[in-house]
Amino acid sequence: NAGVTQTPKFRVLKTGQSMTLLCAQDMNHEYMYWYRQDPGMGLRLIHYSVGEGTTAKGEVPDGYNVSRLKKQNFLLGLESAAPSQTSVYFCASTVHPTSGQQFFGPGTRLTVL
Amino acid sequence: DAKTTQPPSMDCAEGRAANLPCNHSTISGNEYVYWYRQIHSQGPQYIIHGLKNNETNEMASLIITEDRKSSTLILPHATLRDTAVYYCIVRGYGGSQGNLIFGKGTKLSVKP
Repeated sequence: NAGVTQTPKFRVLKTGQSMTLLCAQDMNHEYMYWYRQDPGMGLRLIHYSVGEGTTAKGEVPDGYNVSRLKKQNFLLGLESAAPSQTSVYFCASTVHPTSGQQFFGPGTRLTVL
Repeated sequence: DAKTTQPPSMDCAEGRAANLPCNHSTISGNEYVYWYRQIHSQGPQYIIHGLKNNETNEMASLIITEDRKSSTLILPHATLRDTAVYYCIVRGYGGSQGNLIFGKGTKLSVKP
């Protein structure tokens, strides 16, 4: 099993450009999450999904959109990137929200100039 | 979910036990204590969790005080590869989101 994978690993954008981050998991998990981590900080929840076709906002959703068209994939989109979105983005999945054991991807390091 | 307090940093000699403390004085009866770690630039990794009994697995041991207001994560024989930020998280077995709330954690440096 590959677990949770994320593409790309690194990306540099100019202000105003758009991009999509892809998260894939092969564990048949229902719940998936997108977090961001800024230097010296803990992770903050952007959006999450409780199953295929469903998404919901987390703590810091502004400027991001998500889609969960397939159970194994969770996409995070930036429509018009801003320097404040420079961060490391982590995707995670879990079998059920009552389980505190989440599986994280390796992260995507995004720089917006 | 209850708030946790951890020291910002700790050092440990290679081969010795690393004892990482966490205070969670407002923990409620149905809340679990989880530990994760994040090795530089990688995604967080689950280590262990417990409710009120001490727990042990292949990675670490978790000691929770009888009043449950604090806990200690023990890495019995720390290696250089254990250098990481360790997060103590308290959460209940409920809620619709299921996300984890990460604080700043403890940066553990294992030195040769």
